[in-house]
Amino acid sequence: NAGVMQNPRHLVRRRGQEARLRCSPMKGHSHVYWYRQLPEEGLKFMVYLQKENIIDESGMPKERFSAEFPKEGPSILRIQQVVRGDSAAYFCASSPPGRRETQYFGPGTRLLVL
Amino acid sequence: DAKTTQPTSMDCAEGRAANLPCNHSTISGNEYVYWYRQIHSQGPQYIIHGLKNNETNEMASLIITEDRKSSTLILPHATLRDTAVYYCIVRVDDFGNEKLTFGTGTRLTIIP
Repeated sequence: NAGVMQNPRHLVRRRGQEARLRCSPMKGHSHVYWYRQLPEEGLKFMVYLQKENIIDESGMPKERFSAEFPKEGPSILRIQQVVRGDSAAYFCASSPPGRRETQYFGPGTRLLVL
Repeated sequence: DAKTTQPTSMDCAEGRAANLPCNHSTISGNEYVYWYRQIHSQGPQYIIHGLKNNETNEMASLIITEDRKSSTLILPHATLRDTAVYYCIVRVDDFGNEKLTFGTGTRLTIIP
């Protein structure tokens, strides 16, 4: 059973470009979470999604950031018009239905904004 | 969610038991204690969780005091691969409260 997959693992963008980060949850998992880890800081929750629904987006910046988890395909975290402060590691986690207490994390996407 | 307090860093000799403490004096009756760890440059990894009884799995043991105001994660035979930042998280296991709130954790270094 493959773990949580994220791609790309590394992404370089220039200021003003768009960044799209993809997350494929573990097989059978219907809950996806996104976290951000700024350099030398702890992980911060961003958003929690179930298939086609955003359940909790209390950690998402109000502008430029959006997330989706369509019925088919991976979850996408989209950052529009990136700025240098968006440089961070973005981690996705998933959990199975009925066992939300355990979150399984992917390897992360390292975003560098030049 | 209750706030947790952990030592900033700890060392442990390889092969010895690593005991990582966590204080959560404001924990409420329906809050669980979770432990995750993050090895350098990797995603966090779930270790164990419990409510009030001690728990053990293939990775570690979790000892929760009777008043639940503190707990200890025990890695019975630490190896170099256990070097990581360990996070103690307290959370209500409720729908709509799934997010994990990571603090600064304890940086555990296993010494050869």
